[in-house]
Amino acid sequence: AQSVTQLGSHVSVSEGALVLLRCNYSSSVPPYLFWYVQYPNQGLQLLLKYTSAATLVKGINGFEAEFKKSETSFHLTKPSAHMSDAAEYFCAVSVGAGNMLTFGGGTRLMVKP
Amino acid sequence: DGGITQSPKYLFRKEGQNVTLSCEQNLNHDAMYWYRQDPGQGLRLIYYSQIVNDFQKGDIAEGYSVSREKKESFPLTVTSAQKNPTAFYLCASSRDGYNEQFFGPGTRLTVL
Repeated sequence: AQSVTQLGSHVSVSEGALVLLRCNYSSSVPPYLFWYVQYPNQGLQLLLKYTSAATLVKGINGFEAEFKKSETSFHLTKPSAHMSDAAEYFCAVSVGAGNMLTFGGGTRLMVKP
Repeated sequence: DGGITQSPKYLFRKEGQNVTLSCEQNLNHDAMYWYRQDPGQGLRLIYYSQIVNDFQKGDIAEGYSVSREKKESFPLTVTSAQKNPTAFYLCASSRDGYNEQFFGPGTRLTVL
């Protein structure tokens, strides 16, 4: 069985600062990994996904994530935070067959002016 | 525009009543999913369906029921047996077992 741990349920950064949201996974087989963003009272929107191609994945809104097998991590980064990045972010893992996603508990990103 | 629609956006129910949440997609996706979201708990899978006329229980299926009579539709019924139904419910779909899930806008259910 796979699992996902997101370190830090709340992260606060200043506008213009680096955003780093942490995600560690466990999986007995090579995983597919996803980052989703959720704005208040809305559904989830895909930011980016890793499906065994390039380990550095670029997504929408300037976000990127790097798959590190040795560290079982898939941390999400953005060089410069904008106020509009304030939202909840979910990391998810799938082992492929049946496309069952297991989600982390989420990290709420707050951006201070 | 292709996408997933959920209705209604907000739903209020009295204790002891069944209520059905709608989920429709026009993406021609085979698989559909229902999740429940509670504050601080991420998303938990209720039911999923990979083909028409077939569905499987997820992690928290007790007190819920679904049907999949059409490829486009996957309604969720919250029954009176669900002890704590107040939550945000999200529907999703995916093309096949190796692609990302697309999510609808959600339905917020409140039991009065």
